[in-house]
Amino acid sequence: GIQVEQSPPDLILQEGANSTLRCNFSDSVNNLQWFHQNPWGQLINLFYIPSGTKQNGRLSATTVATERYSLLYISSSQTTDSGVYFCAVEGYNTGTASKLTFGTGTRLQVTL
Amino acid sequence: NAGVMQNPRHLVRRRGQEARLRCSPMKGHSHVYWYRQLPEEGLKFMVYLQKENIIDESGMPKERFSAEFPKEGPSILRIQQVVRGDSAAYFCASSPTGRDQPQHFGDGTRLSIL
Repeated sequence: GIQVEQSPPDLILQEGANSTLRCNFSDSVNNLQWFHQNPWGQLINLFYIPSGTKQNGRLSATTVATERYSLLYISSSQTTDSGVYFCAVEGYNTGTASKLTFGTGTRLQVTL
Repeated sequence: NAGVMQNPRHLVRRRGQEARLRCSPMKGHSHVYWYRQLPEEGLKFMVYLQKENIIDESGMPKERFSAEFPKEGPSILRIQQVVRGDSAAYFCASSPTGRDQPQHFGDGTRLSIL
């Protein structure tokens, strides 16, 4: 099946700093989503971005499907950004099924 | 517009008991997915259902686990004779159509086995 790798695995930032999280995937995709899992365990949908660039406030994401990677940018980080960021993809070649394969996540801690 | 609703949020069972987890998809969504997150790990796909049909159960353990999505009512993930290794967070997601659409996740059910 499709492989998803995220980097870095862990990241510590001071409040106000910027960061870039990366997601590499091993095959063509129909769907790519970024999620934030907050300290309470809730999964927050950040972006649905199988290709192109999107922005939402301090967050933006870019997927270069032909090169099989996606980037999540966090600017002016805040303590509420802490948690785990997951990339998840639906492989193009999964037939009729549309399951998401998740990466292992980037654990972000934003300190004062 | 209500999101994906899962209940209960927390469930405690003793070894050997049965656990039933419920998921009501977003309004207008007929495709439901279940994922499991073991402690300190990412989410892993378990099963994909449409109304009255199991489309893909390739991620389901072969024994003790079953899922359904009846014509009326929520989707149910059922775990029989639970063991300590079943302790995890179970997430449900829904989408309006099967492919090329974002999946919307519920807040999950945290299952603890004593």
